[in-house]
Amino acid sequence: DTGVSQDPRHKITKRGQNVTFRCDPISEHNRLYWYRQTLGQGPEFLTYFQNEAQLEKSRLLSDRFSAERPKGSFSTLEIQRTEQGDSAMYLCASSLLPRRRGGTEAFFGQGTRLTVV
Amino acid sequence: DAKTTQPNSMESNEEEPVHLPCNHSTISGTDYIHWYRQLPSQGPEYVIHGLTSNVNNRMASLAIAEDRKSSTLILHRATLRDAAVYYCILRDIQGAQKLVFGQGTRLTINP
Repeated sequence: DTGVSQDPRHKITKRGQNVTFRCDPISEHNRLYWYRQTLGQGPEFLTYFQNEAQLEKSRLLSDRFSAERPKGSFSTLEIQRTEQGDSAMYLCASSLLPRRRGGTEAFFGQGTRLTVV
Repeated sequence: DAKTTQPNSMESNEEEPVHLPCNHSTISGTDYIHWYRQLPSQGPEYVIHGLTSNVNNRMASLAIAEDRKSSTLILHRATLRDAAVYYCILRDIQGAQKLVFGQGTRLTINP
């Protein structure tokens, strides 16, 4: 396994269009996280899954955003009716359940850079 | 979510040690101190974490103050490949364990 992979790496879309990103986590990882990062800022948490269950969503995740992880493996993040403010890097991370103290490290993908024009 | 404070930027020379400070005065008893770094055009990568005792791994060392209100990430011998944004994060061992990133410290390494 080569780590967390995200597809596509870059996406340019027109305002108002829908876009979908895919994340393939490390195969045995139960937890999957989505983050968004704008230029010069640290990543911001959007949502996370434990297996197929979506357990937490940030207030940043408006109604236009939806995420799924149907079989507890890969995940998709869809943005409907994109706006220019959605332009950002969308990062996916995965980790094991915390069986040891301090939790486990999260492994990040290289991200999908979205540009809305 | 507990907050951390880091300098916006630091500069060092190649092959010299680098000490990256982090203040976390509101740390709680269940918060672990994690460090991640982000190289240009990459996703963040884990560096090290600890609770109370100092920690060492192949990448770095983590020195934690006795009162746990501050910590220092130590790169013993910086290389050009260590140029990155370094994030100090408090991670609650309970619940979602999501990482709450601040703005981090941008480390520049001079040849």
